[in-house]
Amino acid sequence: AQSVTQLDSHVSVSEGTPVLLRCNYSSSYSPSLFWYVQHPNKGLQLLLKYTSAATLVKGINGFEAEFKKSETSFHLTKPSAHMSDAAEYFCVVSDANSNYQLIWGAGTKLIIKP
Amino acid sequence: NAGVTQTPKFRILKIGQSMTLQCTQDMNHNYMYWYRQDPGMGLKLIYYSVGAGITDKGEVPNGYNVSRSTTEDFPLRLELAAPSQTSVYFCASRAADRGDYGYTFGSGTRLTVV
Repeated sequence: AQSVTQLDSHVSVSEGTPVLLRCNYSSSYSPSLFWYVQHPNKGLQLLLKYTSAATLVKGINGFEAEFKKSETSFHLTKPSAHMSDAAEYFCVVSDANSNYQLIWGAGTKLIIKP
Repeated sequence: NAGVTQTPKFRILKIGQSMTLQCTQDMNHNYMYWYRQDPGMGLKLIYYSVGAGITDKGEVPNGYNVSRSTTEDFPLRLELAAPSQTSVYFCASRAADRGDYGYTFGSGTRLTVV
């Protein structure tokens, strides 16, 4: 069975410093992995997705994530945080064996300090 | 292109009342999904449908019912509202031939049961 663990419920960084949001997954098959962002009282926006092509995936707004099969990780990074990055971030896994149903992590709230 | 439209955006229900959350998509997607999002949690799948006339339970179906009489519409019915159903509800759809590339989410319905 698939599962996703986001290792931090909250991450606080200063504006202009790097961001690291951690995600570990469990999947019996070749997974697809996603990061979604949800700004306060807003809907869900796809940041980036990994689907067995390049292991380093670039997304919108300067975010990127690296798929590491040996570590079963898919951590999200950004070199320099901006105030507008303050939001909830969700790591998501799916695979063809489960008919592409999405399994969601619990989310990480990113707080940006001025 | 409207995408996935959910109505209403907000609703307050009294315990024991019933209501239907509406979801409509105009992309001719076969697959449709209902999720709930509780505070501090990722999305949990309530029900899904792989086409008109076909529905199936997800992870948390108790207290809900769905129907899929047309490709476009996938309403979610709460028969006897309970405080535990206070949540944000998201509808999503995807095309059958796009695997997990093609999820589109609605903007959500915030439901409070008092």
